[in-house]
Amino acid sequence: GDSVTQMEGPVTLSEEAFLTINCTYTATGYPSLFWYVQYPGEGLQLLLKATKADDKGSNKGFEATYRKETTSFHLEKGSVQVSDSAVYFCALSLVKTGGTSYGKLTFGQGTILTVHP
Amino acid sequence: AAGVIQSPRHLIKEKRETATLKCYPIPRHDTVYWYQQGPGQDPQFLISFYEKMQSDKGSIPDRFSAQQFSDYHSELNMSSLELGDSALYFCASSLIPRVSGELFFGEGSRLTVL
Repeated sequence: GDSVTQMEGPVTLSEEAFLTINCTYTATGYPSLFWYVQYPGEGLQLLLKATKADDKGSNKGFEATYRKETTSFHLEKGSVQVSDSAVYFCALSLVKTGGTSYGKLTFGQGTILTVHP
Repeated sequence: AAGVIQSPRHLIKEKRETATLKCYPIPRHDTVYWYQQGPGQDPQFLISFYEKMQSDKGSIPDRFSAQQFSDYHSELNMSSLELGDSALYFCASSLIPRVSGELFFGEGSRLTVL
């Protein structure tokens, strides 16, 4: 079946450190890929997305590139801030033939990021 | 901008009781999804509706049922509650499943079963 695997967590960094959270996927079709972020006590917010191979999604200094050859979508940020502390979920959504998405998201297990001043 | 509204935000029930969660999608969104997130776990897809018809089904227990109404809001009904049903329940909405597959999530309803 379709699945998403994230790096083991949690991740603890100092402010201004470089962040990488690894994400790999298996899918029977051609997925769209996402990173969602969940701040404490809040719902899931879309951070960035990519819909085809070699696309780069970016938002708020975060970036991720859709790598079909390695089935990966690693999240990176050059300089993290305390406010980036949250849980990060990698997710995929399968695209139907014809281009409309099934809609259902399959999530990875989440990575807790804690950034210290 | 209007977001997905879920109610109640918190709910405490006893075992074997019933609970109903409500979800109001973003205006003009016609697809609703329900997810269950246990403590420290990733969200698990339960069920989805498109234009008031069930469009996909995931790991939803037989004790649970859901529907989407004419105004596109959705309700998740849970009966014979068990301790393991304690979780955060998310509703998400989208406007016709698009190529990008982006979903917009509510803040969740936290159910505690005692």
